[in-house]
Amino acid sequence: KAGVTQTPRYLIKTRGQQVTLSCSPISGHRSVSWYQQTPGQGLQFLFEYFSETQRNKGNFPGRFSGRQFSNSRSEMNVSTLELGDSALYLCASSTGTADEKLFFGSGTQLSVL
Amino acid sequence: GEDVEQSLFLSVREGDSSVINCTYTDSSSTYLYWYKQEPGAGLQLLTYIFSNMDMKQDQRLTVLLNKKDKHLSLRIADTQTGDSAIYFCAAKGWSSGSARQLTFGSGTQLTVLP
Repeated sequence: KAGVTQTPRYLIKTRGQQVTLSCSPISGHRSVSWYQQTPGQGLQFLFEYFSETQRNKGNFPGRFSGRQFSNSRSEMNVSTLELGDSALYLCASSTGTADEKLFFGSGTQLSVL
Repeated sequence: GEDVEQSLFLSVREGDSSVINCTYTDSSSTYLYWYKQEPGAGLQLLTYIFSNMDMKQDQRLTVLLNKKDKHLSLRIADTQTGDSAIYFCAAKGWSSGSARQLTFGSGTQLTVLP
């Protein structure tokens, strides 16, 4: 069974630009969560989608948005990029059941110059 | 909301046991997890424990849960150099009214010395 696939692996953008990251969950998983990982803040929850609906949201500004498609694939968008948005963005999929076992992709390393 | 804390660093000799500790604040946390992250990679789920259990063993891994003290530990027996990585503790508790968010600790960098 294929794991969680995130594309692209690396991205370099400049301040003010916008970026879209993609995540394909494990087949059969309906929940996709996004996390931001930085050396200073650690792992911070962005949002979770389940069956195309945002089910939970962390404390990030509105510049961070996401969506989920009918095939459970998810995209995350960051508009008006800031230097502080440089981070590893991790996507995790799960079945969405109570035990919430998350399976992570390798992440997208975003650098904002 | 939930807060999860871990010590930042741990060094052990190859062949010894490693014990990584974690504390959490939300007593209603239902599931607690241990993840491993190697350089340049995502997080790998190692094991998890339901809050009504005290202990769970899985090959070289033993998880102990002290619910009264809100303390979780991960013991790795016969630690190998391949175990060198960052280990994250995570708790599923309530945050802003939702139970679906996992809160992660800051991670413990385990270094295994030959």
